Amino acid sequence: KNQVEQSPQSLIILEGKNCTLQCNYTVSPFSNLRWYKQDTGRGPVSLTIMTFSENTKSNGRYTATLDADTKQSSLHITASQLSDSASYICVVRGSNDYKLSFGAGTTVTVRA
Amino acid sequence: NAGVMQNPRHLVRRRGQEARLRCSPVKGHSHVYWYRQLPEEGLKFMVYLQKENIIDESGMPKERFSAEFPKEGPSILRIQQVVRGDSAAYFCASSPWDRGDYGYTFGSGTRLTVV
Repeated sequence: KNQVEQSPQSLIILEGKNCTLQCNYTVSPFSNLRWYKQDTGRGPVSLTIMTFSENTKSNGRYTATLDADTKQSSLHITASQLSDSASYICVVRGSNDYKLSFGAGTTVTVRA
Repeated sequence: NAGVMQNPRHLVRRRGQEARLRCSPVKGHSHVYWYRQLPEEGLKFMVYLQKENIIDESGMPKERFSAEFPKEGPSILRIQQVVRGDSAAYFCASSPWDRGDYGYTFGSGTRLTVV
């Protein structure tokens, strides 16, 4: 069973609109949670990394939140741009472990 | 600073041939990880190497697959006698130490197609 579940699987939004992606995880004990952006045909690029003590972290128009008690995270994209079209992947690392657990990703398509 | 370099970007092999995928980590990084990504699925851990050592190969099939990270040169993921099910994107990542979260960098991947 995948330890990182993302929703929705995909979404389409209009340019300039906001959207929120969800991530639930069961990895325990927990060290950190990351959000990656993966453009088609490219490798994942890190957007944010949060430890259990951090509730929110921003990177430009991307804002990630983390609730370590409920094991939930969200990624909010503000004022979307066409270049935001990509797959967004939630990744969790457990404590005392170098292995990463990957969600299947949410595919975001921004339309003009 | 060059990132993680993977080559080739695309590789086509006939069933039964060998596939060799190369990964040059970020300069100064001595930890390399290989992942496989199937369509519509998340990345799956295959193997973790340090220079001249395989630390964890628990995610790698025991047959036909092997990996190395020599003292000099890139890390190599080798798939012998490829089958259609090996078709996937293979990503390499490197980090400065085994839990170097903030330096963890992915390459652009090698897309293997077995025909």
